[in-house]
Amino acid sequence: DAKTTQPNSMESNEEEPVHLPCNHSTISGTDYIHWYRQLPSQGPEYVIHGLTSNVNNRMASLAIAEDRKSSTLILHRATLRDAAVYYCIPLSSGTYKYIFGTGTRLKVLA
Amino acid sequence: GAGVSQTPSNKVTEKGKYVELRCDPISGHTALYWYRQSLGQGPEFLIYFQGTGAADDSGLPNDRFFAVRPEGSVSTLKIQRTERGDSAVYLCASSPSLAGGPRLWDEQFFGPGTRLTVL
Repeated sequence: DAKTTQPNSMESNEEEPVHLPCNHSTISGTDYIHWYRQLPSQGPEYVIHGLTSNVNNRMASLAIAEDRKSSTLILHRATLRDAAVYYCIPLSSGTYKYIFGTGTRLKVLA
Repeated sequence: GAGVSQTPSNKVTEKGKYVELRCDPISGHTALYWYRQSLGQGPEFLIYFQGTGAADDSGLPNDRFFAVRPEGSVSTLKIQRTERGDSAVYLCASSPSLAGGPRLWDEQFFGPGTRLTVL
């Protein structure tokens, strides 16, 4: 299983963009990169996933490095509701189980 | 539609007792997962069901833990002779999948969890 490294915590001002990095240098060529977030007292919720190309959805964008050893989750305009722990999870073929790290705790300042 | 539900939301028990935690997945989802989350940590995988069968139980910590999914929908996590170290939030997730298993791009939908406290 690929190991991930994320900053323990980050802060952002409301309405500003946030770039959450993840290092996954041991990822294999077929591993998908999933991002989830966990709001206080809730289960994790899906944010976005990708394989090689950059991806956009209504919640966020995912920028994947060309060598796939890192990725960055981009929240275009942070709101107070985005305060959560964000997890980067490479998912390997044949396992299907998520290996969560400790994630990045995002604090959004009003 | 209805999401993943888990009951009870909170369970307090005494050391040595037996507990059952229930998960109702999203209707039609054939893959079901159990995770455990200790304070300040990310969720830790316990077991994964594809239909009625446990496809991967490598995360169960010991033989006190057992899970079933007899009809391929509702699942029950059973813990015998509970210990104080079992205290955690137990999370259930489900995902749509093909007969052969989930695809790497399938999203997992998590329930709110059951907070287990062993006194």
